[in-house]
Amino acid sequence: EDQVTQSPEALRLQEGESSSLNCSYTVSGLRGLFWYRQDPGKGPEFLFTLYSAGEEKEKERLKATLTKKESFLHITAPKPEDSATYLCAVQANEGGSYIPTFGRGTSLIVHP
Amino acid sequence: DTGVSQDPRHKITKRGQNVTFRCDPISEHNRLYWYRQTLGQGPEFLTYFQNEAQLEKSRLLSDRFSAERPKGSFSTLEIQRTEQGDSAMYLCASWTSGYNEQFFGPGTRLTVL
Repeated sequence: EDQVTQSPEALRLQEGESSSLNCSYTVSGLRGLFWYRQDPGKGPEFLFTLYSAGEEKEKERLKATLTKKESFLHITAPKPEDSATYLCAVQANEGGSYIPTFGRGTSLIVHP
Repeated sequence: DTGVSQDPRHKITKRGQNVTFRCDPISEHNRLYWYRQTLGQGPEFLTYFQNEAQLEKSRLLSDRFSAERPKGSFSTLEIQRTEQGDSAMYLCASWTSGYNEQFFGPGTRLTVL
């Protein structure tokens, strides 16, 4: 069974204080690993898809990296508007299934 | 706006009533997913369609839940005889086979009294 564990559950940062969020996963063959941002009361917003170990993608202050067991979402010099819950999900190759499994998310608060 | 839309955004109902939600995906996306999300949890898969065919349903999905996607366009999710445990955010997402990216709608917040 596919498993996704995100840590920490919650993270408080000062504006400009860089940090990383972790997503550990267990999957029988990775088709893709996804990062989303979710604001309260809204649907998740797509950020990145990563496919293979060593891959990196960047968007503004965010950079996602992938190894065979985990992914990191690095936030460089965060601003208060980066406050949100960040969700990680994995999609397995097994059986041609296209069903992603989500973690519980990391709630990020950036203080001005 | 060419994103995923959902209607209604909020629904309050009494236990035992039936409710129906609608999702309009991004027009060129052939896969459509329904999820349920409760506070502090990630989205939980319910079912998905490729065009008009319903390909998979969660083993946890009660028989009270049914979904349709006529003609491979919009989709509806119906919950019969609602229970208080059905209270959650119901999310719809569409996915194109060309790019492995999934886009979510704003969700429908269901409250069962």
